[in-house]
Amino acid sequence: DTAVSQTPKYLVTQMGNDKSIKCEQNLGHDTMYWYKQDSKKFLKIMFSYNNKELNINETVPNRFSPKSPDKAHLNLHINSLELGDSAVYFCASSPQLAGTFTGELFFGEGSRLTVL
Amino acid sequence: GQNIDQPTEMTATEGAIVQINCTYQTSGFNGLFWYQQHAGEAPTFLSYNVLDGLEEKGRFSSFLSRSKGYSYLLLKELQMKDSASYLCAVMDSNYQLIWGAGTKLIIKP
Repeated sequence: DTAVSQTPKYLVTQMGNDKSIKCEQNLGHDTMYWYKQDSKKFLKIMFSYNNKELNINETVPNRFSPKSPDKAHLNLHINSLELGDSAVYFCASSPQLAGTFTGELFFGEGSRLTVL
Repeated sequence: GQNIDQPTEMTATEGAIVQINCTYQTSGFNGLFWYQQHAGEAPTFLSYNVLDGLEEKGRFSSFLSRSKGYSYLLLKELQMKDSASYLCAVMDSNYQLIWGAGTKLIIKP
């Protein structure tokens, strides 16, 4: 059983299009995240969501929006795609955001987005 | 600003020992983490240090000195499968993970 799964794994699209990446976790975790890993390999947090509170990295353009239909899902919608959006997007989950949080994130396999 | 520094790339020999260093400057500290990421795959959790000292877990050990803003990951008895990127991350006072760019470790026979 895949703990954190995201689809699609590869996505090639044209500038200006709108696309979505889906993420599901079956670990019963309270918090889910979206990360962007660019060509320089830095992992940058985009969003964290714990079914009550959405935390947004202020550097993320508002073309990016997370949608959580329930605790096990956090989808990423991207409007008006730009060339600089090309990257690998990782979904992750963790048991808690703070308190006893040990920092262990469980990552999905990543979705490689290429914008032409 | 917040900053995590680690070497870009290191090379070691199969069966040997390698130490990957990480220095950090962050707004507060709630723990330091090491993750392993094989090429084209997701990062996987290796270790978590919040107190000073050495944490040993099999062939891998992680050390932390909070006063120096310094950590290292020690890998013993290197195997070819240890070829990967090793990511250092620090949790700041807002419980946000700040990531380094990773150290690409190349293991040679």
